[in-house]
Amino acid sequence: EIVLTQSPATLSLSPGERATLSCRASQSVSSYLAWYQQKPGQAPRLLIYDASNRATGIPARFSGSGSGTDFTLTISSLEPEDFAVYYCQQRSNWPPVTFGQGTRLEIK
Amino acid sequence: QVQLVQSGSELKKPGASVKVSCKASGYTFTSYAMNWVRQAPGQGLEWMGWINTNTGNPTYAQGFTGRFVFSLDTSVSTAYLQISSLKAEDTAVYYCARNWVVAAKNWFDPWGQGTLVTVSS
Repeated sequence: EIVLTQSPATLSLSPGERATLSCRASQSVSSYLAWYQQKPGQAPRLLIYDASNRATGIPARFSGSGSGTDFTLTISSLEPEDFAVYYCQQRSNWPPVTFGQGTRLEIK
Repeated sequence: QVQLVQSGSELKKPGASVKVSCKASGYTFTSYAMNWVRQAPGQGLEWMGWINTNTGNPTYAQGFTGRFVFSLDTSVSTAYLQISSLKAEDTAVYYCARNWVVAAKNWFDPWGQGTLVTVSS
């Protein structure tokens, strides 16, 4: 089973700042990695798929990069609605599909 | 638009069963598989498995065999998750998520709104 490790666990930033979230895989997943955003009381929403492609309707301030074992989600300038929990997910070697443990992005 | 609407919250006693529904609209139901994901209170996301909506063949992740059953009613574009012999540790929000395929790769999009199942005596 591929383990995804996200860092940091919590990131405290202010609106307007740049956020950089990391996801590391225990073995290569090529580019088969997605990022999801989850706000309190809501279902997760697909942000980025195939490591760097924005899903439909996702603002350009969200970008993904990486391949192999190291991936990054960048939010270029934080908006108030971006404060949420972010999960990475791999589907390279499945079953099982696995998720990272999440990064909580909170307002500083 | 593509949408998944799940059934409402459930409160069950230990040992009982529950059936959660996930009704799809806005696309051809049998063209995309359906995944199920569990989120325990305050915890992360855990993939439970998926069901091929064309053949009805389910695949269960480790830890979700025996008491968990995925099923379909294609006539009403609905997927179901049934959990039997409920335990307190089954208390969680259960999500369905469509298997969206792009260039032969699979992603979860969209997700249902989630169904909270609470198991308590």
